[in-house]
Amino acid sequence: QLQLQESGPGLVKPSETLSLSCSVSGGSISSSGYYWGWIRQSPGKGLEWIGSVYYSGITYYRPSLKSRVTISADISKNQLSLKLTSMTAADTAVYYCVRVLRFFEWLSCFDSWGQGTPVTVSS
Amino acid sequence: EIVLTQSPGTLSLSPGQRVILSCRASQSLSSSQLAWYQQKPGQSPRLLFYGASNRATGIPDRFGGSGSGTDFTLTISRLEPEDSAVYYCQQYGSSPLTFGGGTKVQIK
Repeated sequence: QLQLQESGPGLVKPSETLSLSCSVSGGSISSSGYYWGWIRQSPGKGLEWIGSVYYSGITYYRPSLKSRVTISADISKNQLSLKLTSMTAADTAVYYCVRVLRFFEWLSCFDSWGQGTPVTVSS
Repeated sequence: EIVLTQSPGTLSLSPGQRVILSCRASQSLSSSQLAWYQQKPGQSPRLLFYGASNRATGIPDRFGGSGSGTDFTLTISRLEPEDSAVYYCQQYGSSPLTFGGGTKVQIK
């Protein structure tokens, strides 16, 4: 059974960079049938897609976050990573790692979710 | 950006009742590129439907999805206590992928 497990700091200072990892077990991120991605959820903005990555390294990002976000896939470790720079209070959210069904390439929905990791931005 | 508007915001119903949730898109979604999710308190969202009407693995058949273009519906034919949750729609017709604001279903 596929499992996704996020990890990273629960507290980040304003202007700093958030770095999160997602370990995938029970499946390979190099499977051709899927993309992988990150979604966040906050009371103010609801569910918000951040970006998606294919195992080859191709990435797609939310336009409003594109200048601050980097998502990568490490096949050797079967892990995803998320880096978000210049963090502000508006980035406070629960961050989910997800598997993306490959329907219209990366334009698709999310069939597996990690448990989520809460991130608070505060000094 | 495609905006998804869900209604109603909250529903309070008794077990056994029929539930109809609405999701309206600001632009037409070709190929019914719409999904539904269920999120229970303290849990991650779970995929219910993709392609508007295709049931995901393990989803009970009391759940039904329908619609096309800009208007989509999630139906629960007979509400069970475990169906208490927030339900979200999500479009994957264009970037950025977006979600609706959710409908909270409460059991009386």
